[in-house]
Amino acid sequence: DTGVSQNPRHKITKRGQNVTFRCDPISEHNRLYWYRQTLGQGPEFLTYFQNEAQLEKSRLLSDRFSAERPKGSFSTLEIQRTEQGDSAMYLCASSLEEQETFGSGTRLTVV
Amino acid sequence: QKEVEQDPGPLSVPEGAIVSLNCTYSNSAFQYFMWYRQYSRKGPELLMYTYSSGNKEDGRFTAQVDKSSKYISLFIRDSQPSDSATYLCAMRGAGSYQLTFGKGTKLSVIP
Repeated sequence: DTGVSQNPRHKITKRGQNVTFRCDPISEHNRLYWYRQTLGQGPEFLTYFQNEAQLEKSRLLSDRFSAERPKGSFSTLEIQRTEQGDSAMYLCASSLEEQETFGSGTRLTVV
Repeated sequence: QKEVEQDPGPLSVPEGAIVSLNCTYSNSAFQYFMWYRQYSRKGPELLMYTYSSGNKEDGRFTAQVDKSSKYISLFIRDSQPSDSATYLCAMRGAGSYQLTFGKGTKLSVIP
């Protein structure tokens, strides 16, 4: 087990395009989280899954954002019609109980 | 006022110094407190986790929580150049799944 894996590591996209990121959590972890981090700021919570159920969503998660975790394993985060303000590091974390392990993130640049 | 306040630094210390990092918070519902270390272009790595007032020690690291003052600290003894990173405090309320992070303090330990 190599920890939380996120792909791709970097993504450059044109404004208005859709992008999808993938997160593979630590295999026995039933909890999965998505956070967004901009330069000079701490991570901000986006959403939380327990197994396949999405139990909590931040108001930061606008209608253009959607996350899924089919079968309670890997998760995807999709951003539709990207805007320059979406440029950030998107972090995934997983846990069995309360101590999250973070992945290295996907850095999104919208040009 | 942000829920969690953390001085972003930067903080520069000589090798071997004792480092003190601090956060204050305003939400009395926060019950669980964490310190993460984040190297450049990496995800946050959990250093310390505590849920009660008082001190918790792990090697060169000591986490201190004062719930009455809404103040938490991380002390690093015998600091090393490899400790150079951004240190993030994070906290969570009972029954909540989301972490609220501080902005992070950038630390440089000079050989």
